Amino acid sequence: EPEVTQTPSHQVTQMGQEVILRCVPISNHLYFYWYRQILGQKVEFLVSFYNNEISEKSEIFDDQFSVERPDGSNFTLKIRSTKLEDSAMYFCASSPIQMSGANVLTFGAGSRLTVL
Amino acid sequence: SQKIEQNSEALNIQEGKTATLTCNYTNYSPAYLQWYRQDPGRGPVFLLLIRENEKEKRKERLKVTFDTTLKQSLFHITASQPADSATYLCALEDYGQNFVFGPGTRLSVLP
Repeated sequence: EPEVTQTPSHQVTQMGQEVILRCVPISNHLYFYWYRQILGQKVEFLVSFYNNEISEKSEIFDDQFSVERPDGSNFTLKIRSTKLEDSAMYFCASSPIQMSGANVLTFGAGSRLTVL
Repeated sequence: SQKIEQNSEALNIQEGKTATLTCNYTNYSPAYLQWYRQDPGRGPVFLLLIRENEKEKRKERLKVTFDTTLKQSLFHITASQPADSATYLCALEDYGQNFVFGPGTRLSVLP
């Protein structure tokens, strides 16, 4: 079964440092997403990406966040200057284009970010 | 933007019984609604999708209904098992390709 792969599984960083979270979406998928989940809270949308550009982004996705698809396989989330409140599990997801118009998301296992 | 409520934060039921979880949304009715399962420390896993013109969808012991008048979906697990214990999330497409998730209901099936 095809998988979405995320690295690292856990990253600990100091406040103010830059962090890059990496994702390898399923190879024939065309839509890519980042979500985050603060411990004990709900899964929150950050950004969607299609055709090498951002499709939608939430209020959470401010100037300190950026996404990139540097090559044909990786999809990265960069947090420029981490804050304590960025501590969360970050999930990457991908979906294919469905002819019927209904997109189903396949999620990775997540990257846990701890900001000290 | 869409707001989603799920009936309760936690639900405990006895093994063998039917679990019923509720998802309510506030704004426009989406073209389809999805249910996902999330285990602790893991990403959500897709279970079922139901379209606005479908009243009911089944997959093995799972059944989903969708009432666009009530702006509600019900998710049933029949003959529940301890392995069904997890958090169940409903999700809607909000705008564009943005999927919004509900807060989830943590189901515990007691042996």
